[in-house]
Amino acid sequence: DAGVIQSPRHEVTEMGQEVTLRCKPISGHNSLFWYRQTMMRGLELLIYFNNNVPIDDSGMPEDRFSAKMPNASFSTLKIQPSEPRDSAVYFCASSEGQGNNYGYTFGSGTRLTVV
Amino acid sequence: AQSVTQPDIHITVSEGASLELRCNYSYGATPYLFWYVQSPGQGLQLLLKYFSGDTLVQGIKGFEAEFKRSQSSFNLRKPSVHWSDAAEYFCAVGFDTGRRALTFGSGTRLQVQP
Repeated sequence: DAGVIQSPRHEVTEMGQEVTLRCKPISGHNSLFWYRQTMMRGLELLIYFNNNVPIDDSGMPEDRFSAKMPNASFSTLKIQPSEPRDSAVYFCASSEGQGNNYGYTFGSGTRLTVV
Repeated sequence: AQSVTQPDIHITVSEGASLELRCNYSYGATPYLFWYVQSPGQGLQLLLKYFSGDTLVQGIKGFEAEFKRSQSSFNLRKPSVHWSDAAEYFCAVGFDTGRRALTFGSGTRLQVQP
């Protein structure tokens, strides 16, 4: 099993540009989570999908952020336009069921730097 | 509101010494409890989990954790720390509604002295 695969590993972009982060969950996992990690705020849940349907997007900072899960094997997190305060490590995680009794498997993260 | 607290931001121990990392939660019922470890530049790796039953759970890498309902705690322990254990450790709490994702504590950074 290849685990949760995120791409790219690192992204440097200029303020105002569009950024797309990608995630491939573990096959058979039907819950997918996007988290953001910063020194100041720690790990924050952005959005949670179950069976490709968004269940909780209350953590999405603002309209500049959007996430999609068009099928069970792929999800994207898009930031448009990007701002320096979006600089963080973005993690994708997946889980069986709804996750709370299985725990999550995390990807290696995407380190985003907006200059 | 449900919450999880890791009161220690940073802990330093000597190699070979014992370790205990603290985690407290606030919730009306017994939650699902997890400990994760994050090495620099890496994602989070699950160490162990507790749902019910025996309150002392064993995990990978020689770690164990004990659930104490009376104290709303789920502390992580290791009898003898190795230099490779230096990392950040996160406690996480899940609730049985299934409609809320895990809530993570703020983390404890462990430094191991030779």
